[in-house]
Amino acid sequence: EVQLVESGGGLVQPGGSLRLSCAASGFTFSSHWMHWVRQAPGKGLVWVSQIKGDGSSTSYADSVKGRFTSSRDNAKNTLYLQMNSLRAEDTAVYYCAKGGPTAALDIWGQGTMVTVSS
Amino acid sequence: QSALTQPPSVSGSPGQSVTISCTGTSSDVGTYNRVSWYQQPPGTAPKLMIYEVSNRPSGVPDRFSGSKSGNTASLTISGLQAEDEADYYCSSFTTSNTYVFGTGTKVTVL
Repeated sequence: EVQLVESGGGLVQPGGSLRLSCAASGFTFSSHWMHWVRQAPGKGLVWVSQIKGDGSSTSYADSVKGRFTSSRDNAKNTLYLQMNSLRAEDTAVYYCAKGGPTAALDIWGQGTMVTVSS
Repeated sequence: QSALTQPPSVSGSPGQSVTISCTGTSSDVGTYNRVSWYQQPPGTAPKLMIYEVSNRPSGVPDRFSGSKSGNTASLTISGLQAEDEADYYCSSFTTSNTYVFGTGTKVTVL
């Protein structure tokens, strides 16, 4: 079964850091682009970042560029999102998603909640 | 990158058809056929319903169809069913090598 499981969310103070993880199973992880998407409480989906299968290319939304870094360990089938200089507006459920051959996000995890508050 | 524009809500009775529009720009929807649609029932993760404008993944009912004209994509749900009640989001690849989602549309089955 193809599955993505996020972890690492929690409560962090403004200016703090947090690292999210996404464990993948059931597919050849290294062959696929992977994405992070977030959703603030009661709000819509916002694309955050993507990383190529071999980790050689990344791109980010302007709102997180320079603060967030996406990486992956293909030996562990795990995707990461390092979040620094966190702000209240980063409070959201963070989903990881698998990029399909058609550039659509075809498999999603259940999400992990990040709350930035003092 | 501004979000793609969707109507906040649409509604219909069981068996009717509803259409959700998704308006972007020449930097996203108007340039690429990498437009996809996602269904998100309350409290759950999104699910891919349409990819590359009009293609359905395996398991998605053929009541769901997609199209595109210029900078606007559309999702049509024919033969509306109670289980279709959810939030729907469009998404497009952009000329900046990023993705952008729509503002989201709540579909209500009357």
